[in-house]
Amino acid sequence: AQSVTQLDSQVPVFEEAPVELRCNYSSSVSVYLFWYVQYPNQGLQLLLKYLSGSTLVKGINGFEAEFNKSQTSFHLRKPSVHISDTAEYFCAVIQQGGKLIFGQGTELSVKP
Amino acid sequence: NAGVTQTPKFQVLKTGQSMTLQCAQDMNHNSMYWYRQDPGMGLRLIYYSASEGTTDKGEVPNGYNVSRLNKREFSLRLESAAPSQTSVYFCASSEGGTSGTDTQYFGPGTRLTVL
Repeated sequence: AQSVTQLDSQVPVFEEAPVELRCNYSSSVSVYLFWYVQYPNQGLQLLLKYLSGSTLVKGINGFEAEFNKSQTSFHLRKPSVHISDTAEYFCAVIQQGGKLIFGQGTELSVKP
Repeated sequence: NAGVTQTPKFQVLKTGQSMTLQCAQDMNHNSMYWYRQDPGMGLRLIYYSASEGTTDKGEVPNGYNVSRLNKREFSLRLESAAPSQTSVYFCASSEGGTSGTDTQYFGPGTRLTVL
């Protein structure tokens, strides 16, 4: 069965610093990967997804992620974060049958 | 366009009470989902409805029932609430399809506490 592991539960960074949120997946079949963001007291919204093609995927708000098949990773990056990026970030993979399986989440805290 | 709406936003129940969480979407989506979110566990799928008239169990269905009332509405019922059901519940919808690669759109959530 497919699964995802987010390697950091909390990531504190200073404003304008770069950030990387790590996600590893396990899958024996075709891999479809997603990053969702949850701002405080809100529902989730899609940041980006990898279905096929270029391994570097660009999303909203300046985020990007790289699909690395050999390392079974899909890490999320942003070169310069803002206070408004403070949120919880979820990596997810499609399970056979079309259901999303979410990771445990990473809380990104951006400090001034 | 309201997207996905959920009612109520907050609810406190006593053990053994019942309640229904309501969800509606105005995007003409075929598929709808109910998740629960618990600290350190991400989101877990409770039930989903791939299309109007069908429902299926997800990862954690015990203690819950669902009804796909029509294409727009998908409700989640707790027949006899337990403290273990204290959680934040999210409804989501997507265009549908068996691959599951379409984007899911989430509601704002219902925060439920069972005493």
